[in-house]
Amino acid sequence: AQSVTQLGSHVSVSEGALVLLRCNYSSSVPPYLFWYVQYPNQGLQLLLKYTSAATLVKGINGFEAEFKKSETSFHLTKPSAHMSDAAEYFCAVTGSSNTGKLIFGQGTTLQVKP
Amino acid sequence: GAGVSQSPSNKVTEKGKDVELRCDPISGHTALYWYRQSLGQGLEFLIYFQGNSAPDKSGLPSDRFSAERTGGSVSTLTIQRTQQEDSAVYLCASSFAGGGVETQYFGPGTRLLVL
Repeated sequence: AQSVTQLGSHVSVSEGALVLLRCNYSSSVPPYLFWYVQYPNQGLQLLLKYTSAATLVKGINGFEAEFKKSETSFHLTKPSAHMSDAAEYFCAVTGSSNTGKLIFGQGTTLQVKP
Repeated sequence: GAGVSQSPSNKVTEKGKDVELRCDPISGHTALYWYRQSLGQGLEFLIYFQGNSAPDKSGLPSDRFSAERTGGSVSTLTIQRTQQEDSAVYLCASSFAGGGVETQYFGPGTRLLVL
C-alpha cells in the first residue's frame, strides 16, 4: 500500500531564507508524487508533480522538488521564502495508477517571518 | 474556463439530519473525486467517479455516505443521519481522464459543521 509521511507539521523560516519541506513515501510500485499548496479557506493548488521523467521537478512560484528513489524522498525546496508562501503544503502519492486517487501526508504549515 | 465549484460553501446542520453537497467539475473532465479534510484524519479519499460510474468507493466511511454523478458532470455527496464526527471540509476534484499521472483540480470545499 502507498503512504506518505511529512516530517514536521510546522516549519518557520525568515523571509529570504531557504524553504525545505520534507516528504517520504512508501510505494509498492513506481510512484507518481505531487505537492499541493492550500491557502486559508481555499482548495488545493498543484505546485508540481513527479511522473517518472526528470528527477528534479520545477513547479510554480519558484518551488522545486527532487525525487530520490534510494531515500524514498520527494522534498520540496525554494531558495528564498516570500511572505506570500505562508500556507499549508501537502505531499501526495497516487494510491492507484488506474484511478489516480491520492494518498496525502498530514501536511506542513509554513510560517514566514518578516 | 471556470474551475471546480462546490456548493454550499458552508453548511451547519443538526445531528441526525441529512445533507447534500454538490460539485461541478471542470467541463470536459471525466474523472471526479471526493475527499474529506478533518483535523483528526487529515485529507482522506472518499470516492472516485469515471463518467457516471464509481469504480472506487473504498474511502466512504460508512453506509450513511453515498454519492452519485449524473450526465458525466455534476456530482452530489449525500450524508444521511449526520453525526458530529462528520464535521469536516469536503473537497471535490476533477481531472481530464483519471489515472495516476493526471493533475487533479480542486474546488474550494464545503465546510460542514454538525451540531
